[in-house]
Amino acid sequence: AQSVSQHNHHVILSEAASLELGCNYSYGGTVNLFWYVQYPGQHLQLLLKYFSGDPLVKGIKGFEAEFIKSKFSFNLRKPSVQWSDTAEYFCAVNRRGNNDMRFGAGTRLTVKP
Amino acid sequence: DAGVIQSPRHEVTEMGQEVTLRCKLISGHNSLFWYRQTMMRGLELLIYFNNNVPIDDSGMPEDRFSAKMPNASFSTLKIQPSEPRDSAVYFCASSLGSVSGANVLTFGAGSRLTVL
Repeated sequence: AQSVSQHNHHVILSEAASLELGCNYSYGGTVNLFWYVQYPGQHLQLLLKYFSGDPLVKGIKGFEAEFIKSKFSFNLRKPSVQWSDTAEYFCAVNRRGNNDMRFGAGTRLTVKP
Repeated sequence: DAGVIQSPRHEVTEMGQEVTLRCKLISGHNSLFWYRQTMMRGLELLIYFNNNVPIDDSGMPEDRFSAKMPNASFSTLKIQPSEPRDSAVYFCASSLGSVSGANVLTFGAGSRLTVL
């Protein structure tokens, strides 16, 4: 069975600190990779995605993620977080040729002003 | 487009009662997903449909749960009878399914269910 692992359950940072959230997936073959964000009281929305090509992808609000195939990882990064980045972040994976989308357990990010 | 529309937004019910959650897809989307979100288990895929056909329901917890797509734009998730452990936020999401699976899901606002 496929699984998506997010290593950090809750991360607390001060504004301007750098962020890296880990994501690993467990299945082989070609995959599509996503990060979704859920701001307090809102529904999930896409932050960025990787389908093919350059393994370093840039998303909205200064976020980026790097796909490292050998490590089955797709870590999310941001050089300098803001208070408004406080949210829950979900990594998601589906296999190429398959429409199902599996999510990690989520990482709650709290940014202190 | 109004996006994915879920109803009700909040439901409080008593154990043993039937619960029906509803979802309207984005026009033109052909894949529909139901997820359940809890603190303990995160975001779990319950079932998904392609072109109205259930493809994978392995995430449905037990026979008390059922989901249908009576037409291309609408789906229901039913719990009968409901139990307190079913309390969660249930999300519906839709996408334009493709062979490659390179789909972006659009989520609804969720239905928060509390079973007393």
